Amino acid sequence: AQKITQTQPGMFVQEKEAVTLDCTYDTSDQSYGLFWYKQPSSGEMIFLIYQGSYDEQNATEGRYSLNFQKARKSANLVISASQLGDSAMYFCAMRERLRNSGNTPLVFGKGTRLSVIA
Amino acid sequence: SQTIHQWPATLVQPVGSPLSLECTVEGTSNPNLYWYRQAAGRGLQLLFYSVGIGQISSEVPQNLSASRPQDRQFILSSKKLLLSDSGFYLCAWTTRPLNTEAFFGQGTRLTVV
Repeated sequence: AQKITQTQPGMFVQEKEAVTLDCTYDTSDQSYGLFWYKQPSSGEMIFLIYQGSYDEQNATEGRYSLNFQKARKSANLVISASQLGDSAMYFCAMRERLRNSGNTPLVFGKGTRLSVIA
Repeated sequence: SQTIHQWPATLVQPVGSPLSLECTVEGTSNPNLYWYRQAAGRGLQLLFYSVGIGQISSEVPQNLSASRPQDRQFILSSKKLLLSDSGFYLCAWTTRPLNTEAFFGQGTRLTVV
């Protein structure tokens, strides 16, 4: 079963507008971490933001914020004031805490391609 | 500071030839190491995961293997490449705590012809 689901293969947003990229996850663990990454056309993976399952506040990093709804198991990324340089693939990812040892590996969703229009 | 080196950046190999991609990490010890593959315009598929020297977890049965001969070295190999092995291969590392992000290499674009 898919651990991370990103249902939007592609999104368009007007420059300076806000956009929400959807991410839902599947876990039975209480302790887990959620990540968002940006991948420009160069292929590099750029870490954007992290949300822990026990964090009470939604994470924010500059123009990025994470709309964390634990009961719905969703962790949507909100980008405010979109810029042309935001055009890229965006990936949601998760790690879970194993009860007896360590953590699970980082697994990714299939991604959303965001295109910012001038 | 921590860095991750992955090479080569691009590779064109004939079907049936062997493969060896190397990844090394600097500035940290005992990292978790990962190999991912990304088909064109697609998501990241986890191939292998290692929590220590000689400890390899395979996520998807396939034509590839991985080894971790040293703490900060992770190698992806194949004895005979298939056309379907083409893709963008990314090495990454994390530390133990759950809240630490993964750091990625620059990737290797492999084309099997």
